Amino acid sequence: SQKIEQNSEALNIQEGKTATLTCNYTNYSPAYLQWYRQDPGRGPVFLLLIRENEKEKRKERLKVTFDTTLKQSLFHITASQPADSATYLCALDMDTGGFKTIFGAGTRLFVKA
Amino acid sequence: EAQVTQNPRYLITVTGKKLTVTCSQNMNHEYMSWYRQDPGLGLRQIYYSMNVEVTDKGDVPEGYKVSRKEKRNFPLILESPSPNQTSLYFCASRTARINTGELFFGEGSRLTVL
Repeated sequence: SQKIEQNSEALNIQEGKTATLTCNYTNYSPAYLQWYRQDPGRGPVFLLLIRENEKEKRKERLKVTFDTTLKQSLFHITASQPADSATYLCALDMDTGGFKTIFGAGTRLFVKA
Repeated sequence: EAQVTQNPRYLITVTGKKLTVTCSQNMNHEYMSWYRQDPGLGLRQIYYSMNVEVTDKGDVPEGYKVSRKEKRNFPLILESPSPNQTSLYFCASRTARINTGELFFGEGSRLTVL
């Protein structure tokens, strides 16, 4: 069956360190992959999109990698801050023309001061 | 300000009492979608719409209806709500003209069915 897996356990890191979150998928061939941030009780907010022919994408302190052979994306936050504490969602889009976006369950990140 | 607006934000209702959750976007987006979010299950797509009068089922459409009579609005209808539809619901939209992928979400509607 098709599946998107994100670490269900919360990630706790110290302020200033790099947070690395993992997204693994099976039985998909996505056209692109997205990462969203979600704060408690709020709607997800788009962060980054990476296409299948791109290996890496950066935006300020954020970096995403996409390995279609391993079927894995890594999401990095460098110099993390307590304000980065949130749940981070991985999402895949199939190139079906139907714009069907499928989300992982998310990983909760806690950054301690 | 570009936004997706959902109403109501919070609702407690009883089994069988029909309800509608409204969703409106002001970005002229062709694509709109409804998701429900449950602990440990993430966001699951209920229905989506590619444009006016064009809708299709997502992964969990049972017990829900939608309509897309206008481009800006995409209401979610629960004809006969049941307790297993207690959830946090999100409406989202994006452009279809350029395949950027970015979804814009509303603030969510927390529904409790007793």
